[in-house]
Amino acid sequence: DAGVTQSPTHLIKTRGQQVTLRCSPKSGHDTVSWYQQALGQGPQFIFQYYEEEERQRGNFPDRFSGHQFPNYSSELNVNALLLGDSALYLCASRILIRGPLNTEAFFGQGTRLTVV
Amino acid sequence: SQQGEEDPQALSIQEGENATMNCSYKTSINNLQWYRQNSGRGLVHLILIRSNEREKHSGRLRVTLDTSKKSSSLLITASRAADTASYFCATDARIIQGAQKLVFGQGTRLTINP
Repeated sequence: DAGVTQSPTHLIKTRGQQVTLRCSPKSGHDTVSWYQQALGQGPQFIFQYYEEEERQRGNFPDRFSGHQFPNYSSELNVNALLLGDSALYLCASRILIRGPLNTEAFFGQGTRLTVV
Repeated sequence: SQQGEEDPQALSIQEGENATMNCSYKTSINNLQWYRQNSGRGLVHLILIRSNEREKHSGRLRVTLDTSKKSSSLLITASRAADTASYFCATDARIIQGAQKLVFGQGTRLTINP
């Protein structure tokens, strides 16, 4: 059973360019979230997708957008890249349970984005 | 902004010793999860403790949760060199219309010396 997979593992882009990162959730999981982790910091929540809709969003500009496909996989798009967007981008998946209980969130290995 | 704060920020101990890391948070939670991260790669899930639980064990890991103090601790017993990593706590806020997110602290950098 494959866990959460992300591609690519590393990426170098130039300021102003656009980038697309991809994530396949763990088998059986239906919700995907994206996180940005700057060097030496904890991950910061970008947004969460469920049923192909953005359900919650963190404090990130509109340059960050996403999509979830019918097979639950997801993409993160960042437009007009800035040097400050250089970070490790992590995807997490879990099963959404409506009610007071939550399930474990499992993370992929991340995509290291460098903007030059 | 980070909700949680891990303490200490860095910890260095000898192999075989126990390591204790603490996490404090600010708002009401459904559960709290601990993760390990090696060399800036992906996060490995260690343990989830629910808000109505006080203690949980998994192998050499022991996690406690005190919701009255809004704090949690992670104890690693009989540490090994392979435990060298950064450890993060992440809180799960109450679900609103199916929305979920984890809020992370800044992590504790643990170094196990041979």
